[in-house]
Amino acid sequence: GAVVSQHPSWVICKSGTSVKIECRSLDFQATTMFWYRQFPKQSLMLMATSNEGSKATYEQGVEKDKFLINHASLTLSTLTVTSAHPEDSSFYICSAAWGLAGRHYNEQFFGPGTRLTVL
Amino acid sequence: AQKITQTQPGMFVQEKEAVTLDCTYDTSDQSYGLFWYKQPSSGEMIFLIYQGSYDEQNATEGRYSLNFQKARKSANLVISASQLGDSAMYFCAMRAGANNLFFGTGTRLTVIP
Repeated sequence: GAVVSQHPSWVICKSGTSVKIECRSLDFQATTMFWYRQFPKQSLMLMATSNEGSKATYEQGVEKDKFLINHASLTLSTLTVTSAHPEDSSFYICSAAWGLAGRHYNEQFFGPGTRLTVL
Repeated sequence: AQKITQTQPGMFVQEKEAVTLDCTYDTSDQSYGLFWYKQPSSGEMIFLIYQGSYDEQNATEGRYSLNFQKARKSANLVISASQLGDSAMYFCAMRAGANNLFFGTGTRLTVIP
């Protein structure tokens, strides 16, 4: 399957600082990237969907000003957690897929995740 | 609205035995896809198997098979000949129509030597 990388794999930061997480599709061009959040022992919750070159679509309840998503190229998407607080501590997973906009693609490829701890 | 239900928070299986992980779903879309993912303790999501709503045959991938019963809206994962490395969280997921992938709450499988 296709490879998706995330960087960093874990990060610890102080409350009030901003953290940027990168997601890259290494061997394919991802027309769509997804960002998920997973709390311990819980399922993945979709935060937002982004298509290359356009603004991200955020799920209900996700603050777009706090979780800034940029999908500047077909191989890179970034998630910036602004003014992080301890309640933002979580496991963040990105996922990438290819396909024409609006088409029903079958498979998403997931990155290895980034564990964020805010002190 | 989409809904995925995994009623088994935890399952135990003896090594080399088969195990079935349950998944039921609900959607009003006629076209949908069902997925199973494995998440080991390291956190990465590993794609295991896919079943399309119009597929007549049950999907199989090596030791994984998907018992798809459309009328009952169930998509159970069967793992044959369990191995110690199969111990992980398993998530059932669905994509219906143009919607995004929606995950169930997961089942933690523990393989006992």
